[in-house]
Amino acid sequence: EAQVTQNPRYLITVTGKKLTVTCSQNMNHEYMSWYRQDPGLGLRQIYYSMNVEVTDKGDVPEGYKVSRKEKRNFPLILESPSPNQTSLYFCASSLLVSNTGELFFGEGSRLTVL
Amino acid sequence: DAKTTQPNSMESNEEEPVHLPCNHSTISGTDYIHWYRQLPSQGPEYVIHGLTSNVNNRMASLAIAEDRKSSTLILHRATLRDAAVYYCILRDVRGSTLGRLYFGRGTQLTVWP
Repeated sequence: EAQVTQNPRYLITVTGKKLTVTCSQNMNHEYMSWYRQDPGLGLRQIYYSMNVEVTDKGDVPEGYKVSRKEKRNFPLILESPSPNQTSLYFCASSLLVSNTGELFFGEGSRLTVL
Repeated sequence: DAKTTQPNSMESNEEEPVHLPCNHSTISGTDYIHWYRQLPSQGPEYVIHGLTSNVNNRMASLAIAEDRKSSTLILHRATLRDAAVYYCILRDVRGSTLGRLYFGRGTQLTVWP
């Protein structure tokens, strides 16, 4: 089944404790991206990747890192989480060699930083 | 960045048609118009997309203005399961909006029984 898988789905952590949210897709998609969703602010893009070893900033990259060492994986790294990073996070992927660019989203990861 | 403007919320009664508008006055010639929806507690899902001509699929119809500066997502008979946030975005797989995407707040659709 074609899917985007995020882990963990739920996480409660404390300020300053490094964490990684993983994202994996099984559709051989070149493009992957991370979003955060906060009440009243909609979906905001954090980082995106056009292919392996190619990443770029979205609208709200501060406090986050990403890496794209393999095509299928695009982990989101919070080196020193702070309470303002409490949010719902979504990973998405799509083909680039396509005239549609349909995005496939994961189910979300709800992060709470105390 | 190519951005879109949508109403914050809309309401409909069950089994009535719903027309969800989207303005995209800065659209470029190669931008595709995409619509996604997000059901409660789920990730967004693809609904429909188009370039210039109106499009139909099993979920909805997309009507695109002749100048392409606006579009309308049409749900022909709203059901309670259509209650969701609907996002209109622009994406050009050959140009500047390829990677950097703007979803905004979308339109919260409420469907009354």
